[in-house]
Amino acid sequence: KQEVTQIPAALSVPEGENLVLNCSFTDSAIYNLQWFRQDPGKGLTSLLLIQSSQREQTSGRLNASLDKSSGRSTLYIAASQPGDSATYLCAVRPGDYKLSFGAGTTVTVRA
Amino acid sequence: DAMVIQNPRYQVTQFGKPVTLSCSQTLNHNVMYWYQQKSSQAPKLLFHYYDKDFNNEADTPDNFQSRRPNTSFCFLDIRSPGLGDAAMYLCATSRDRLAGGEQYFGPGTRLTVT
Repeated sequence: KQEVTQIPAALSVPEGENLVLNCSFTDSAIYNLQWFRQDPGKGLTSLLLIQSSQREQTSGRLNASLDKSSGRSTLYIAASQPGDSATYLCAVRPGDYKLSFGAGTTVTVRA
Repeated sequence: DAMVIQNPRYQVTQFGKPVTLSCSQTLNHNVMYWYQQKSSQAPKLLFHYYDKDFNNEADTPDNFQSRRPNTSFCFLDIRSPGLGDAAMYLCATSRDRLAGGEQYFGPGTRLTVT
């Protein structure tokens, strides 16, 4: 059974600092990995999707890397802003329709 | 502009009183999913529809049912809500079930059981 872990569960940084969020998964046989953002009381917004054949994906200040062999993905957010405060979840797709989610990292960016 | 729409955004129901949550999509996707997310936990898949084909997860309680009358709409019915069913319910869609497909989520419905 695929297990997805996100450590730490919470993170607080001053504005302007780069954010590094970690995601690890136990089974490296995945088809893709998706990073989501969730604001309090809201749904999930997809940030980046990395296919298993890719090493990284970039969108604006966001960059996500994938190392399948070690079962790790990292989401980098450059020059953090207070508006980046949210919970970030990663989810892996083992090969069928299901997504296996981590519990998320809650980020607070202090002004 | 909205792609996956959930109504209502907030729902309060009484213990044991049936409740229905609604999801609609403008993406014309074949697959619609329902997830349950409790506070500070990962979303948990309850079931999904591939077109009209209903697929229940093995550990989804019988108290939860779903209907998909057409491509655009999908409903989650909770027959007798308990206090433990209070959660955020998320609807998602994908074009197909192939492994490369991306899932698109709605804003969620926050269910409170009193």
